[in-house]
Amino acid sequence: GNSVTQMEGPVTLSEEAFLTINCTYTATGYPSLFWYVQYPGEGLQLLLKATKADDKGSNKGFEATYRKETTSFHLEKGSVQVSDSAVYFCALIEYGNKLVFGAGTILRVKS
Amino acid sequence: GAGVSQSPSNKVTEKGKDVELRCDPISGHTALYWYRQSLGQGLEFLIYFQGNSAPDKSGLPSDRFSAERTGGSVSTLTIQRTQQEDSAVYLCASSTGLAGSTDTQYFGPGTRLTVL
Repeated sequence: GNSVTQMEGPVTLSEEAFLTINCTYTATGYPSLFWYVQYPGEGLQLLLKATKADDKGSNKGFEATYRKETTSFHLEKGSVQVSDSAVYFCALIEYGNKLVFGAGTILRVKS
Repeated sequence: GAGVSQSPSNKVTEKGKDVELRCDPISGHTALYWYRQSLGQGLEFLIYFQGNSAPDKSGLPSDRFSAERTGGSVSTLTIQRTQQEDSAVYLCASSTGLAGSTDTQYFGPGTRLTVL
């Protein structure tokens, strides 16, 4: 079945550091890929998405590129801020509009 | 307009009792989803409603779980004879239903269920 694997956390960075959170997926076809973010005390929010190979999703300085050849969708940001501290979930949809989520990665940014 | 709303925000119940969780989707959204978030299992899909079509119930963990959507809007998730392993945050999401697998799902704040 479909699955998503993302790097375990917590990831702790200093402000202005470069961020990468790895995400790889298993699917039989060509799913749509998503990054969701959950800020402390808040609900899940869509951060960015990509719907076909080589698409790049971007939002709030975050980027991720859909790599079919490596079945990956790694999340990157050039300079993190304390306000980026949250839990990040990689997810896919292949069939039936059902999101399949990774386990989540906790990001802590220190000032 | 308003986002997805869920009630109650917190529910504490005793093992064996029935509970009902409510979701109000974004107005005009034809697709509605239930997920749950638990420490052991992460985020899991439960059930999906799209318009008047039969719901996709493939994620419901047991026959103690059921859901309905009345009038194409509000949805209720019912858990009968609750067990301690049902303790989790139950999340509802809705989407326009127009874009298939690329549709953005908008999530509510969740209901935290604790079964004692």
